Amino acid sequence: QSVLTQPPSVSAAPGQKVTISCSGSSSNIGKNYVSWYQQFPGTGPKLLIYDNNKRPSGIPDRLSGSKSGTSATLDITGLQTGDEADYYCGVWDSGLSGMTFGGGTRLTVL
Amino acid sequence: QVQLVQSGAAMKSPGSSVKVSCKASGGTLSIYTLIWVRQAPGQGLEWLGGIIPGLDAADYAQKFQGRLAIDTDESMTTVFMELSRLTTEDTAVYYCARDSLAGTGYHGMDVWGQGTAVSVSS
Repeated sequence: QSVLTQPPSVSAAPGQKVTISCSGSSSNIGKNYVSWYQQFPGTGPKLLIYDNNKRPSGIPDRLSGSKSGTSATLDITGLQTGDEADYYCGVWDSGLSGMTFGGGTRLTVL
Repeated sequence: QVQLVQSGAAMKSPGSSVKVSCKASGGTLSIYTLIWVRQAPGQGLEWLGGIIPGLDAADYAQKFQGRLAIDTDESMTTVFMELSRLTTEDTAVYYCARDSLAGTGYHGMDVWGQGTAVSVSS
């Protein structure tokens, strides 16, 4: 059981917007930076968002991250079939003295 | 742009140890956090531990304390992860990854190795 809670799956139609949530606590999201990763089957994770809301170069601005209190969200607008993947949030947990990941969310573009 | 290249797949017996390397090319690791993450078949991501090679101090997930060692070579271009007393539950793909920003703190891992499949079976 992860200390970060993500919905197991989300879905939306092409062109629409989807929000993936990541719920934590005061010892992790409440005080540390959240990052988001995309993973396709059989490949390694790819960084989408760091420091809660910053995009690495090459990540389109239709992806955005935000944080409020002990929760974080990843928004993807203008959905494309190529966005179908698993998405993970990650954060340092000061109580555990370790990094923790959410359980992952499978995005389906209908 | 730095790339991380990991050692090849390994097949191990229960009770043995595995050592996986992660070599940086095109850049340095010395001032960046380098972590190890694993993914068991069909499962999510699990953090094992991390190190800043220049500080030579590693953090380990509590569940691996006592059987995990992360260290670096003298040039600080290669980081090693050794997991001992293997069980079948350690079967997974092991990734190394580097933080996007130098210094302490976990900001987000922007460079990932290609993964090393470790299979533990009798």
